[in-house]
Amino acid sequence: NAGVMQNPRHLVRRRGQEARLRCSPMKGHSHVYWYRQLPEEGLKFMVYLQKENIIDESGMPKERFSAEFPKEGPSILRIQQVVRGDSAAYFCASSPVSSYNSPLHFGNGTRLTVT
Amino acid sequence: ELKVEQNPLFLSMQEGKNYTIYCNYSTTSDRLYWYRQDPGKSLESLFVLLSNGAVKQEGRLMASLDTKARLSTLHITAAVHDLSATYFCAVVIAGSARQLTFGSGTQLTVLP
Repeated sequence: NAGVMQNPRHLVRRRGQEARLRCSPMKGHSHVYWYRQLPEEGLKFMVYLQKENIIDESGMPKERFSAEFPKEGPSILRIQQVVRGDSAAYFCASSPVSSYNSPLHFGNGTRLTVT
Repeated sequence: ELKVEQNPLFLSMQEGKNYTIYCNYSTTSDRLYWYRQDPGKSLESLFVLLSNGAVKQEGRLMASLDTKARLSTLHITAAVHDLSATYFCAVVIAGSARQLTFGSGTQLTVLP
């Protein structure tokens, strides 16, 4: 049973370019969460999605960041016009509908470096 | 706004010793999680604590939850080098869907 799959593992972008991060949840999981981790810090919540719906985006910066989880295919976190401060590890997690109290399952993350 | 504070942030300990990591949180919560992260890797779930007085143990690690004090502890018994990692607690605001608020992490180094 494959876990949460994220790609790419490492992504380098120049300032002003776009970054697209992909996340395929575990089989049977329909809830996806994106978190950002800055060096030496804990993870910060960004957005919570279900298929075709954004449930909670209270942690997303108001500009340049967007997320989607289409009916078919992976969830995408998109960062437009990246700046150096966007350099971080971005983790995706998933959960099944019914397991309210079970832990989230995290992917291996995408490490974004903006040069 | 929910705040989660862990201490210590850095911990070096000798093999065979015992120590406790503390996790305080600022508002009512009904779920607390402990995760482990190795450098450059993802987060591995260790414990889920759901009620006041909950205690869970796995190997040399034991976690407990006191919801009245808004405190969880992660106790390490007779540490070994393999336990070297960063440990995070994460709390869910009561009534929220699944948004986890993480502490800053405790970077544990077990020395031979």
